Amino acid sequence: QVQLVESGGGVVQPGGSLRLSCAASGFTFSSYGMHWVRQAPGKGLEWVANLRYDGSNKYYADSVKGRFTISRDDSKDTLYLQMNSLRAEDTAMYYCAKEGCINGVCDPYFDYWGQGTLVAVSP
Amino acid sequence: DIQMTQSPSSLSASIGDRVTITCRASQNIGTYLNWYQQKPGKVPRLLMYATSNLQSGVPTRFSGSGSGTDFTLTIISLQPEDFATYYCQHSFSPPLAFGGGTRVEI
Repeated sequence: QVQLVESGGGVVQPGGSLRLSCAASGFTFSSYGMHWVRQAPGKGLEWVANLRYDGSNKYYADSVKGRFTISRDDSKDTLYLQMNSLRAEDTAMYYCAKEGCINGVCDPYFDYWGQGTLVAVSP
Repeated sequence: DIQMTQSPSSLSASIGDRVTITCRASQNIGTYLNWYQQKPGKVPRLLMYATSNLQSGVPTRFSGSGSGTDFTLTIISLQPEDFATYYCQHSFSPPLAFGGGTRVEI
């Protein structure tokens, strides 16, 4: 069965950095686009970034562009999110999510989610 | 960038009610519209993709319709386990975006 397990969250001061990881299993990781989605406490869902299955294209929300970097290591079936210059407004639960595919046609909707890792940016 | 607007932001309903949630895109997104359910403290769950395709395991009392800029999620007969927050999300092109959510409560 598909499993996504995030790690790397924690408390960090404004301006600091964190690297989140998402370990995938139960599917051919290298064949799927992957995404990060976040949710601030008591708020709605916000798409953060995605990476195509072949790593050829990366996209970011305007709110994180230039500060966050998404990457993947297919040899380790792991997705990463490097977060620099963190701000209070980056405080959220961060989920990694797998892109959906039907009959080999993939679309950026999220059919599997991890349990999330909590990032708190506080002085 | 494409903005997604959901209405209402919350609604009260009873068991057995028919519930309709609306999602509007700021530009034409064809049928690249998806719906998720999230219960308090839980991970979001995909309900519907490409407007009207039911994700595996989702009850058939959920249905989706629409195209272009206007979409709806309908729950035909609300069940106790359906009380949750529902989000739409466009997958037309990056940057992707979610609607603000609709909380369905008793």
